[in-house]
Amino acid sequence: AQKVTQAQTEISVVEKEDVTLDCVYETRDTTYYLFWYKQPPSGELVFLIRRNSFDEQNEISGRYSWNFQKSTSSFNFTITASQVVDSAVYFCALSERTYKYIFGTGTRLKVLA
Amino acid sequence: DGGITQSPKYLFRKEGQNVTLSCEQNLNHDAMYWYRQDPGQGLRLIYYSQIVNDFQKGDIAEGYSVSREKKESFPLTVTSAQKNPTAFYLCASMGQSNYGYTFGSGTRLTVV
Repeated sequence: AQKVTQAQTEISVVEKEDVTLDCVYETRDTTYYLFWYKQPPSGELVFLIRRNSFDEQNEISGRYSWNFQKSTSSFNFTITASQVVDSAVYFCALSERTYKYIFGTGTRLKVLA
Repeated sequence: DGGITQSPKYLFRKEGQNVTLSCEQNLNHDAMYWYRQDPGQGLRLIYYSQIVNDFQKGDIAEGYSVSREKKESFPLTVTSAQKNPTAFYLCASMGQSNYGYTFGSGTRLTVV
């Protein structure tokens, strides 16, 4: 069965600290996609990254980086030098071949000035 | 600019009433989805459609109905059979490759 677990319900950090958001997934498929979305207070989910199951390369985009490890079924997201604008709810999601997404319960990140 | 438009942003419903949430996209995407978001529960799939005139139930379809008469439009009706409809509803679409959903800005439905 598919499942996505985001064990951290809420994280608070002080601006400029680094923070890692955890995501653990379960799937029986060998072909799947993993995503991270950001939900600011406005409500709309904003796409951050997609990773397919055959590409275990880590990715860095500015202050954001993602660590995908199939051995531990994890797809963790790190924000370096956090800023107040990073405050949001972050969702991890899993998609198999049906293209239906299974979302985690989200992690609320609060960055304090 | 291409995107998804959901309306209204806020909606109030009396118990026993049906209400329809609008979702329109101009991205030429084939697939469209409706999700419900409750606090602490993430997003749960209500209905989805991969082609015009066809749609499938998601994980929590009871008390909801949809139609897909046009590629651009995928309205969701919350019927009186939905016991706890107060929630945030998100519509999404996706193109032919699974590069990720594009989401609308959501409709917050409250039963009064």
